Amino acid sequence: KAGVTQTPRYLIKTRGQQVTLSCSPISGHRSVSWYQQTPGQGLQFLFEYFSETQRNKGNFPGRFSGRQFSNSRSEMNVSTLELGDSALYLCASSLGGTHNTDTQYFGPGTRLTVL
Amino acid sequence: GQQVMQIPQYQHVQEGEDFTTYCNSSTTLSNIQWYKQRPGGHPVFLIQLVKSGEVKKQKRLTFQFGEAKKNSSLHITATQTTDVGTYFCATSGGYSTLTFGKGTMLLVSP
Repeated sequence: KAGVTQTPRYLIKTRGQQVTLSCSPISGHRSVSWYQQTPGQGLQFLFEYFSETQRNKGNFPGRFSGRQFSNSRSEMNVSTLELGDSALYLCASSLGGTHNTDTQYFGPGTRLTVL
Repeated sequence: GQQVMQIPQYQHVQEGEDFTTYCNSSTTLSNIQWYKQRPGGHPVFLIQLVKSGEVKKQKRLTFQFGEAKKNSSLHITATQTTDVGTYFCATSGGYSTLTFGKGTMLLVSP
């Protein structure tokens, strides 16, 4: 079974621009979660989607948004980029049942650099 | 929301020495998960503990969940250079969301 894939792997943008990142979950997984990883703040939860609906959202400004398609693929968008948005953005997929003990499988991440 | 504190932040050991990282919470946790992230890589799931006092072993790795379900530990016996990486504990909240500790970076010298 193929793992979680993320595109692009690396991205360089300038302040004020916007960016869209893509995540394809493991086949059969219906939940996709997004995390931001920085040296200072560690791994922080952004949001989670299941069956095209956002079920949970972390404490990030509205510039961060996402969506999920009917095939479970997900995209996240960051508008009006700031220097502090430079980070590794990870998505994780899981079966997504109502219990909270599903194993999450992480993709390789997208390394975003904002200049 | 739930927070998990992880110590130490960093540990450098000689190959063959043991290593332990600890995860603590002020509130009772429903579960604890452990992940390993190699340098330049992504977090990889190691194990999940859900029962009070639970102990699980994976070869040289021993995972424990405290009796009060407020702390957990990961112990590696006789470290090898392949153990290098950052070890994270995490607890799951609503649905498929994880709250991570800051991680313990392990460096192993041959």
